[in-house]
Amino acid sequence: AQTVTQSQPEMSVQEAETVTLSCTYDTSESDYYLFWYKQPPSRQMILVIRQEAYKQQNATENRFSVNFQKAAKSFSLKISDSQLGDAAMYFCAYRSESYQFYFGTGTSLTVIP
Amino acid sequence: SAVISQKPSRDICQRGTSLTIQCQVDSQVTMMFWYRQQPGQSLTLIATANQGSEATYESGFVIDKFPISRPNLTFSTLTVSNMSPEDSSIYLCSVSGAGGNQPQHFGDGTRLSIL
Repeated sequence: AQTVTQSQPEMSVQEAETVTLSCTYDTSESDYYLFWYKQPPSRQMILVIRQEAYKQQNATENRFSVNFQKAAKSFSLKISDSQLGDAAMYFCAYRSESYQFYFGTGTSLTVIP
Repeated sequence: SAVISQKPSRDICQRGTSLTIQCQVDSQVTMMFWYRQQPGQSLTLIATANQGSEATYESGFVIDKFPISRPNLTFSTLTVSNMSPEDSSIYLCSVSGAGGNQPQHFGDGTRLSIL
């Protein structure tokens, strides 16, 4: 089975600074998708960004970008110009060829004013 | 993206009772999922509910404890049966398109507390 590992239970960043959240995964599949979700205290899971494994170009959504290293099975999330509203739990997720989703254990991000 | 309504948003129940959680989607979707999330922890998949077939349960979850219905492409229910304090958790419904890079979209969750 696929596994997703987030090795940073907690991270903090100064407002307006940049922070990188780490995620690694283990799979033998070649066709899969990777996602980052944000879960604020309101608890709704919100999609932040997605990456197709067959694409070499890293996905970017405004202040959010990923560093996808397929050979290393690494999928980190970079948040630039951090804002107070970015404070949340961030989950890395893997979608398999059979459409199963696997979530990491999450990273709690604190933004310091 | 799909809009998902989940009811109830929270409930407090007595030990030994059962509660049914409803998940309504504003569009037809192929795949619906039910997750459990303990406070401060990640999501654990309970089962995948596909219309027209029995739900597929993950290891550690059984149909007698978590019966699921999926009568059509826009609706599903999860029942938590014979509840105990260990069932206190957030239960999340999510949906996903079948193809391509479709993400999962989530409801707001149901916070369940068992006394």
